[in-house]
This record gives sequence, structure tokens and C-alpha cells, in this order.
Amino acid sequence: DQQVKQNSPSLSVQEGRISILNCDYTNSMFDYFLWYKKYPAEGPTFLISISSIKDKNEDGRFTVFLNKSAKHLSLHIVPSQPGDSAVYFCAAGGYSSASKIIFGSGTRLSIRP
Amino acid sequence: EPEVTQTPSHQVTQMGQEVILRCVPISNHLYFYWYRQILGQKVEFLVSFYNNEISEKSEIFDDQFSVERPDGSNFTLKIRSTKLEDSAMYFCASIPFRVSAGELFFGEGSRLTVL
Repeated sequence: DQQVKQNSPSLSVQEGRISILNCDYTNSMFDYFLWYKKYPAEGPTFLISISSIKDKNEDGRFTVFLNKSAKHLSLHIVPSQPGDSAVYFCAAGGYSSASKIIFGSGTRLSIRP
Repeated sequence: EPEVTQTPSHQVTQMGQEVILRCVPISNHLYFYWYRQILGQKVEFLVSFYNNEISEKSEIFDDQFSVERPDGSNFTLKIRSTKLEDSAMYFCASIPFRVSAGELFFGEGSRLTVL
């Protein structure tokens, strides 16, 4: 049951360019969406979120876009920096749910010099 | 900055043995979670816990799993009889209030290796 899908297991981007990570979801009951970043041997850390009433949320170099009709969201990182190399997880949750967030399978982003 | 702490960082056990993973959530948080990540796979929800009882659990969280908050600070995950497929990284997380548009605060994880 893959309610949150990240179809690209890896992505390589040159430093300074834009990184675009994509995520699709199937459950129309999701009300908010999050991106987490994970380094090896560490827990996921929150990056940015967006609620279903918005189509864009920006925080510094990070922007999340939500297309509800397509059930698609994306994370843009610009400009990409070496420290951005990590695994990025898309996640989604619903206000109707008691508590849980569902994660995608992750995309490994590598920023090359 | 307050953080979620987990112990042990790595545990190796024999199949069939009981394992207890411990977590100290952030002190003013009310909701607690266990997630796990099998190597190279997605982070999977196991269970959420609020007001001293399970709020929600996944299909993975069968009778072999249990959680408790024995003393108001620790939050434990017990696996009664470990199987090879329980080998994974187990993450504890907490949040101050009911999950909304805010984030879960994750610990660094406990790696469980079942031989």
C-alpha cells in the first residue's frame, strides 16, 4: 500500500543548480505534506511543510509546490549546496487521522561540485 | 535545544530473544511514535501513543510488539520474540500536540540486528 510515492530513488545535481524532488500521493484525505531530510545514521529532520489549502510554501532556499488535482508535490532547492546531499523523504498526513504520518521511500540527492 | 534521545544506538540479538528499545521524548511533548526503516527502504509507521494508550498502530505492529511509558519520561518499544525481518533502524519521535501541519521530532535511531 504505497500511499506516498517517490519514484526517483536517486538524483544528482551540480552545485549551484536547482534540485527538484518529486512526490505523488494517492490518498485524497491527506491534508498536509512534509519533506524530511535524512543523513546516514541520523533520524529524519523536518525541512518544510505545506497544507492542502496552499499550493506553495517557501523557506529560504527550499520551496514546496502542491498540485492537488494531480496529487503531486515537489521540493525545489535552489541553489543546491554540498550540504544538501542526503536522502529526502516526502511525507503526508491527515487532520482526520489520530496521529500518523506516512512516508515515501526517499530520494537520495547528491550534489556534485 | 531539546531533543529525542534513544538507547541503545545498536543492538545485536539472536532470533527469538526479547528486545527493549528505549526513548526519552522531548519533555513537554504529548504524542509519541515509533517508526522503523529497513535498510534502503522507506520509513514505516509502527505505532502512536497518547495519554498512556495506543492511538493508532500499523499492520506491522502485531502481538509481538508492545509499547509503554513506564515512568512518565521513558517510552519503550518491546519486541517479544525477534525475527530476522525485525532487523531495521527504529526511530522514536514525539510532537507537542496532535499532529497537524507541524513536524515530528525524531531521535537518532536504534539499529537492531537480529541474527
